[in-house]
Amino acid sequence: KNEVEQSPQNLTAQEGEFITINCSYSVGISALHWLQQHPGGGIVSLFMLSSGKKKHGRLIATINIQEKHSSLHITASHPRDSAVYICAVRSSGNQFYFGTGTSLTVIP
Amino acid sequence: ETGVTQSPTHLIKTRGQQVTLRCSSQSGHNTVSWYQQALGQGPQFIFQYYREEENGRGNFPPRFSGLQFPNYSSELNVNALELDDSALYLCASSIPGQQNEQFFGPGTRLTVL
Repeated sequence: KNEVEQSPQNLTAQEGEFITINCSYSVGISALHWLQQHPGGGIVSLFMLSSGKKKHGRLIATINIQEKHSSLHITASHPRDSAVYICAVRSSGNQFYFGTGTSLTVIP
Repeated sequence: ETGVTQSPTHLIKTRGQQVTLRCSSQSGHNTVSWYQQALGQGPQFIFQYYREEENGRGNFPPRFSGLQFPNYSSELNVNALELDDSALYLCASSIPGQQNEQFFGPGTRLTVL
C-alpha cells in the first residue's frame, strides 16, 4: 500500500467546472505539498500546508491533520489547468512520499 | 522559473554503465533532494543532502549516490545502470529555515538501453 493515495487518477472536466482532487496519507507528516506537473516533466509547487487552508487565485488547498486527508480545489477551471496534480508529504522522519498523480484535462 | 537547473536534459546510456546527473540550485539553497519518476508514476524520493551531508534516504540501493558542493550544486551518481533506471530524475532545493518549500528543476530524462 502506498503511503500517499490520490483520487481520482484521471479527471476530465468542462471549462468552468469546479474540480476537487483528494489525497489521503498514512504516515505522520510535517508538511503536505500539492504540485503541478506539465507534459515534459517540469514541476511547480502550488501549495505547502501543515494545517488549515490556503488559497492562491482559483486554487484552494485544505488539510485535515486528524483525518490525514487533503483536497485541492480548482474553481472556474480553464484548459490551461490541464496537467498532472501530485500530492506529496514530508514525513516526520524526513522522508518524502508522493502520490501517483491525478491527470486533469479541461475541455474548452 | 524556479532558479533550479539540471543537466543534461536528456541522456541515453547502456546497461552496466555509470551516469552523473547535475543540479544547480539558487544561491543560499543549502538543502537539495533528488527524486526518480518512472513513466506514468509519481516521483520516488532517492535522498536529501543538507550542508554537503546525506540527510535522509529513500528505498534505493547504494549504487545511487550523491554529492553536494559548497556552491549549491549537487550530483546524482548511478553505477551499474539497469533498464529499470530509465526515468525522469528531478532535483529540488530548499531555503534555509523553510525546508518544506521545495523548488524543482526541470529534470533529466535518462534512458537505459
